Amino acid sequence: ELKVEQNPLFLSMQEGKNYTIYCNYSTTSDRLYWYRQDPGKSLESLFVLLSNGAVKQEGRLMASLDTKARLSTLHITAAVHDLSATYFCAVGNEETSGSRLTFGEGTQLTVNP
Amino acid sequence: DTEVTQTPKHLVMGMTNKKSLKCEQHMGHRAMYWYKQKAKKPPELMFVYSYEKLSINESVPSRFSPECPNSSLLNLHLHALQPEDSALYLCASSPSGFLYSTDTQYFGPGTRLTVL
Repeated sequence: ELKVEQNPLFLSMQEGKNYTIYCNYSTTSDRLYWYRQDPGKSLESLFVLLSNGAVKQEGRLMASLDTKARLSTLHITAAVHDLSATYFCAVGNEETSGSRLTFGEGTQLTVNP
Repeated sequence: DTEVTQTPKHLVMGMTNKKSLKCEQHMGHRAMYWYKQKAKKPPELMFVYSYEKLSINESVPSRFSPECPNSSLLNLHLHALQPEDSALYLCASSPSGFLYSTDTQYFGPGTRLTVL
């Protein structure tokens, strides 16, 4: 059974600081996704990582994937208040169908002025 | 049109009611999904339709009945629900109908369901 663990689950940080969210998963996977969810809203796709060593950046967010360590990171640079949201990683597995995503518990990020 | 739409936004129903949730996308996506999300939890997959055929049913109780009338539309029919079914119901779509595709999923805004 594929398990996905995120940490931390709660993160309170000051504007301007850097931090990293970690996503570990338990079995071989060839695809990892990061989503953002604002309170009461839907999920927005941030990144799709499909190969070992993949790195993608969008604004102050950078995601990477290490398939050997079964680890993805979401790095936040110089945080701003607008980044406050819950961030989910989700892992798919070709054996169980790429459409069947297993989500982590989510990291609730609060950026304080 | 680059979004997934869902109606209604909010729904309150009694345990004996029958209601339906509707999801639409006009992006030509061939896979569509229903998820259930409880507060402060990740989404849980319920159903996947691929090329308008039910491909994945994650052992969902029969009081939830999905329907895909055409490639743009996905319904979720609700009957005899329980209070514990209260949640945010999210619809999503992805471009390829191939179940092993690496496409990301595009989520609708959700229907917040309350069962009294």
